[in-house]
Amino acid sequence: DQQVKQNSPSLSVQEGRISILNCDYTNSMFDYFLWYKKYPAEGPTFLISISSIKDKNEDGRFTVFLNKSAKHLSLHIVPSQPGDSAVYFCAASSSGNTPLVFGKGTRLSVIA
Amino acid sequence: EAGVAQSPRYKIIEKRQSVAFWCNPISGHATLYWYQQILGQGPKLLIQFQNNGVVDDSQLPKDRFSAERLKGVDSTLKIQPAKLEDSAVYLCASSLPLHGASPLHFGNGTRLTVT
Repeated sequence: DQQVKQNSPSLSVQEGRISILNCDYTNSMFDYFLWYKKYPAEGPTFLISISSIKDKNEDGRFTVFLNKSAKHLSLHIVPSQPGDSAVYFCAASSSGNTPLVFGKGTRLSVIA
Repeated sequence: EAGVAQSPRYKIIEKRQSVAFWCNPISGHATLYWYQQILGQGPKLLIQFQNNGVVDDSQLPKDRFSAERLKGVDSTLKIQPAKLEDSAVYLCASSLPLHGASPLHFGNGTRLTVT
């Protein structure tokens, strides 16, 4: 039973363009959502989060959008840079005090 | 601030052998987690500690896996005996006490290969 789904295993984008990574969840109790970035041989690094009281959170080139009715969130990276090439994990928890549940990840390749 | 420290970085063992992993969380972080990441999958929680108490170990295969955090700081995760399907990266993470939500900070993991 996969509660957090990232249906695109990979994504290729040209440098300077927008990258859009998508995530769907099934558990309506989830109210805190995060994106992590992972480089090879390193642990996941926290990127950006959003709580269910918001529908958008922005941090520099990174914006996360939350659509609670569709149980869908997305991460936008604008403009994309080659250094953004990594695996991106979507994660969720309920009431901020339960362990994070992760999706399988999407590998982003930004082509120069 | 210093990050989450894990050792060893890599370990190769034969099936039925035992292995132990060590984790030192970020100073002041009361909550510590062990996650298992199998190739091509997202991290899956094995166990969560709050100080030295277990909060959630529902997904820990207790017949072969054990973990402890005796003094509420460092933690060890042990597998005995190992199976081929235990080959994975074992990630340790820590976070502040949860009053609201706070992100997890991960170490670089231990890559275990069971042959």
